Amino acid sequence: SQKIEQNSEALNIQEGKTATLTCNYTNYSPAYLQWYRQDPGRGPVFLLLIRENEKEKRKERLKVTFDTTLKQSLFHITASQPADSATYLCAPENRDDKIIFGKGTRLHILP
Amino acid sequence: EAGVAQSPRYKIIEKRQSVAFWCNPISGHATLYWYQQILGQGPKLLIQFQNNGVVDDSQLPKDRFSAERLKGVDSTLKIQPAKLEDSAVYLCASQADRAYNEQFFGPGTRLTVL
Repeated sequence: SQKIEQNSEALNIQEGKTATLTCNYTNYSPAYLQWYRQDPGRGPVFLLLIRENEKEKRKERLKVTFDTTLKQSLFHITASQPADSATYLCAPENRDDKIIFGKGTRLHILP
Repeated sequence: EAGVAQSPRYKIIEKRQSVAFWCNPISGHATLYWYQQILGQGPKLLIQFQNNGVVDDSQLPKDRFSAERLKGVDSTLKIQPAKLEDSAVYLCASQADRAYNEQFFGPGTRLTVL
């Protein structure tokens, strides 16, 4: 069955450092991969979408990579700030528009 | 641009009771989703509508859950009768009428079944 794995434990990163979150998938060949941010008590908010033929995508301090050989996406936040503390969800999407969300990684940026 | 609206924000019911949730998507968005998010998990798709037609309801427990989207705009999700394991946040999301667009989520309804 299709499986998505994200860092299972919470990630604590010192302010100013780069936070790197991992998303691995199995039994799956997504055409796209989306990343969302979710704060407590709120719905997820879209951050970035990367296509299978793109190696890397950037948006301000965010960078996403997509390695279809390794079946992995990495999500980086550079110059991290306490306001970046949230849960980050990886969501691979098939060509038939079916999207599956991972469990998410809780990120804590320590001042 | 107004976001996705959901109500109520919180609901507490006894098991075997019924409950209904309402969603108003972003104006003009053809696709609407209902997700169930259990604490510590990612959102799990329950049903996807394209306008007022169902695209995917393969994970909807149809013996107790039902959903409709009349006139292709607002949608309601109903649970009847509720079970303890239905305690979760129910998220509604909408998407513009292009494939692979981002989804816009509402704030969710937190359901507690006692």
